[in-house]
Amino acid sequence: KNEVEQSPQNLTAQEGEFITINCSYSVGISALHWLQQHPGGGIVSLFMLSSGKKKHGRLIATINIQEKHSSLHITASHPRDSAVYICAVRFPGNQFYFGTGTSLTVIP
Amino acid sequence: GAGVSQSPRYKVAKRGQDVALRCDPISGHVSLFWYQQALGQGPEFLTYFQNEAQLDKSGLPSDRFFAERPEGSVSTLKIQRTQQEDSAVYLCASSLGQGYQPQHFGDGTRLSIL
Repeated sequence: KNEVEQSPQNLTAQEGEFITINCSYSVGISALHWLQQHPGGGIVSLFMLSSGKKKHGRLIATINIQEKHSSLHITASHPRDSAVYICAVRFPGNQFYFGTGTSLTVIP
Repeated sequence: GAGVSQSPRYKVAKRGQDVALRCDPISGHVSLFWYQQALGQGPEFLTYFQNEAQLDKSGLPSDRFFAERPEGSVSTLKIQRTQQEDSAVYLCASSLGQGYQPQHFGDGTRLSIL
């Protein structure tokens, strides 16, 4: 399935860098989620978006419905941000499709 | 706790055995989802409940997979005659209702089939 594509697949950054992770999807959606997954499997929902932009601390998520694209930004990155970030889209009918994730490593 | 609870955290079974995975959603959450996450992959949708009704089971990979939520709260995912390709993390998520509601995930059950 390629309904949701993320880039990059892997990302290494120096502490303090500004990070952008991208997500593109193929058809109209009801909502888009950004998820964070730490080693061991626990998943945390960071944002749910249907339009516009949301901000929480150093995390910012944007979505462009016309272009079918969303970005997750991390400002002033920190080693504790190291995780897998997953984009998930909900299509009408409640089916969820997930990207394969972006593995982020922030080096001190 | 107040979050989604899954048990067991880890399960090892021999090929051919049946397994049952449990999910306790957040109290009051109407919607419940099961996902399968293979190693190195993103989660993939298995099935969805609204209260006790299983509204979508299109993601279940075979008829060996069965899920239920008889009283609209706790859910069980059962896999019969397990095979090695069933090895994965099984994630459960719940949300308050339908529509634009964020999903809250459990920590998952890591299933290993020997």
